[in-house]
Amino acid sequence: GENVEQHPSTLSVQEGDSAVIKCTYSDSASNYFPWYKQELGKGPQLIIDIRSNVGEKKDQRIAVTLNKTAKHFSLHITETQPEDSAVYFCAAGFQKLVFGTGTRLLVSP
Amino acid sequence: DAEITQSPRHKITETGRQVTLACHQTWNHNNMFWYRQDLGHGLRLIHYSYGVQDTNKGEVSDGYSVSRSNTEDLPLTLESAASSQTSVYFCASSESDSPETQYFGPGTRLLVL
Repeated sequence: GENVEQHPSTLSVQEGDSAVIKCTYSDSASNYFPWYKQELGKGPQLIIDIRSNVGEKKDQRIAVTLNKTAKHFSLHITETQPEDSAVYFCAAGFQKLVFGTGTRLLVSP
Repeated sequence: DAEITQSPRHKITETGRQVTLACHQTWNHNNMFWYRQDLGHGLRLIHYSYGVQDTNKGEVSDGYSVSRSNTEDLPLTLESAASSQTSVYFCASSESDSPETQYFGPGTRLLVL
């Protein structure tokens, strides 16, 4: 079955810096790669996703890149703000999702 | 606005008791999912349903059951609660033509003593 690894587990940046979170997956049948943001005490919120027929997708300050050959994908957040502080999860799958173990992002003012 | 809700938000129970967690969505989504979230494990799939009367086991289904009698609800039952089932439980739903694009509820924090 699918296995998703996520790094780093924690990431501290200064406000205005960029943050990058990386994930690898094992099953070449996976064709959907979402990223979720989870704030304390809340459910995961879908922030961006990408399908396997696309290499990159942007939405304002966030972007996701996918390398199907290497089976890895990344979340890029530019011009980070304190409100970006949260736990971020990647996932991969086809019909069902397998999640990474999460990255705690801390943005310091 | 359409939404997905879970109840209760917090629950304390004793080992051996039966517990049912509720999940209700008003998006008219055919697909519904239950996950548990534990430190170091991320989100793991317990059970899922692709429509009324359809249920399927996920990665960590032992000790849990679900039933789907209508589109809006997928209750999760712990038949005999164990301390290992102390966790945060999340329900999610998605449309038929995009089962992977899942939207999550606010979660239920369950403590089994």
